[in-house]
Amino acid sequence: NAGVTQTPKFRVLKTGQSMTLLCAQDMNHEYMYWYRQDPGMGLRLIHYSVGEGTTAKGEVPDGYNVSRLKKQNFLLGLESAAPSQTSVYFCASSGVGRRTGGDYNEQFFGPGTRLTVL
Amino acid sequence: GENVEQHPSTLSVQEGDSAVIKCTYSDSASNYFPWYKQELGKRPQLIIDIRSNVGEKKDQRIAVTLNKTAKHFSLHITETQPEDSAVYFCAARPGSQGNLIFGKGTKLSVKP
Repeated sequence: NAGVTQTPKFRVLKTGQSMTLLCAQDMNHEYMYWYRQDPGMGLRLIHYSVGEGTTAKGEVPDGYNVSRLKKQNFLLGLESAAPSQTSVYFCASSGVGRRTGGDYNEQFFGPGTRLTVL
Repeated sequence: GENVEQHPSTLSVQEGDSAVIKCTYSDSASNYFPWYKQELGKRPQLIIDIRSNVGEKKDQRIAVTLNKTAKHFSLHITETQPEDSAVYFCAARPGSQGNLIFGKGTKLSVKP
């Protein structure tokens, strides 16, 4: 019963490099989300998915791509990292399933990934 | 789209006092309003939520009130304790979507 997990926990990139962040959930949730958290800015939604094979843009999607090939996984990609993408990235999931009591509302967050782009 | 404003950005209280954090939203179709607590270096966790058909909800020392007409909702923490020190985020869910729009957060410090 791991809940929501994220890989890696920390990463340092150079400008222009690419990387993929992995989010996994074992609660059979339909909805998954990627947020970035910057000081004084709260949590801003990057992309989200309402089911396997579907994705949608959030508030700040530029520079990121996502894929949801399996229901339990949601990948966030940075094709050409920029210093402005230095942030803490949180994945979350929600939906009917274990530990949710039939409620789509509560979002369960992963532990976060701290990314630094030099 | 939905916009959520949260005030104050920082709040300092003495242990035992009450703390109130206020949020306003812009989309009248929003129907779900959660509050998350984030301790330093940790992930956000839901502490209480309210739906648009309810005016107030309590859970021990915390309560949330919702005024749909004025489009604002508030978090009330009574008898604050040092372990209440954290950043608190309000959020709103626009009626047509599953995602949440978050406020920018309030850093609460409870002094012993």
